[in-house]
Amino acid sequence: AQKVTQAQTEISVVEKEDVTLDCVYETRDTTYYLFWYKQPPSGELVFLIRRNSFDEQNEISGRYSWNFQKSTSSFNFTITASQVVDSAVYFCALSEAGTGGFKTIFGAGTRLFVKA
Amino acid sequence: DTGVSQDPRHKITKRGQNVTFRCDPISEHNRLYWYRQTLGQGPEFLTYFQNEAQLEKSRLLSDRFSAERPKGSFSTLEIQRTEQGDSAMYLCASSSLGLNTEAFFGQGTRLTVV
Repeated sequence: AQKVTQAQTEISVVEKEDVTLDCVYETRDTTYYLFWYKQPPSGELVFLIRRNSFDEQNEISGRYSWNFQKSTSSFNFTITASQVVDSAVYFCALSEAGTGGFKTIFGAGTRLFVKA
Repeated sequence: DTGVSQDPRHKITKRGQNVTFRCDPISEHNRLYWYRQTLGQGPEFLTYFQNEAQLEKSRLLSDRFSAERPKGSFSTLEIQRTEQGDSAMYLCASSSLGLNTEAFFGQGTRLTVV
């Protein structure tokens, strides 16, 4: 069965600090896809990144970076030099190719507060 | 605006009433999904359409819930005889075909059953 665990319920940082959001997943499939979404107070889930299980390269996009490690089943997300606008709930999600890749399972989310 | 749109954004209803929500996906997307999100939780998968065919339904979707996508475009989610436990945010998403395509979400319909 697939499962996504985001152990950090809430994180509070001061602006310009770096922050890492943890994500651990469970799956029996060898082919799967990992995602991060951001949910600002407006409620709409905003796609941030997708990774497939065959691509363990880390990725950097501006202030955002992602560390995918299959050995520890983790897909962590780091925000460098955080800003107040980064305040939101962040969800890690998993989709298994065996289910057709359409059934995405979300973690419970990590609420990030960035204080000025 | 070419994103996923949902209507209404908010709905307050009395217990026992029926409600219907609408979702208009991104026009070229074949896949459409419904999720439910309760406070402090991540979205939970409810059902999935590929074009007009409903291919998957979660066990969370009781007999009181029904979803349709009659022409493979917009979709409706109906809840009959609403209960207080149905209070949640109902999210719709759409994506193109393929195994690794991300879903684009609407802003959701927040349902409150009083």
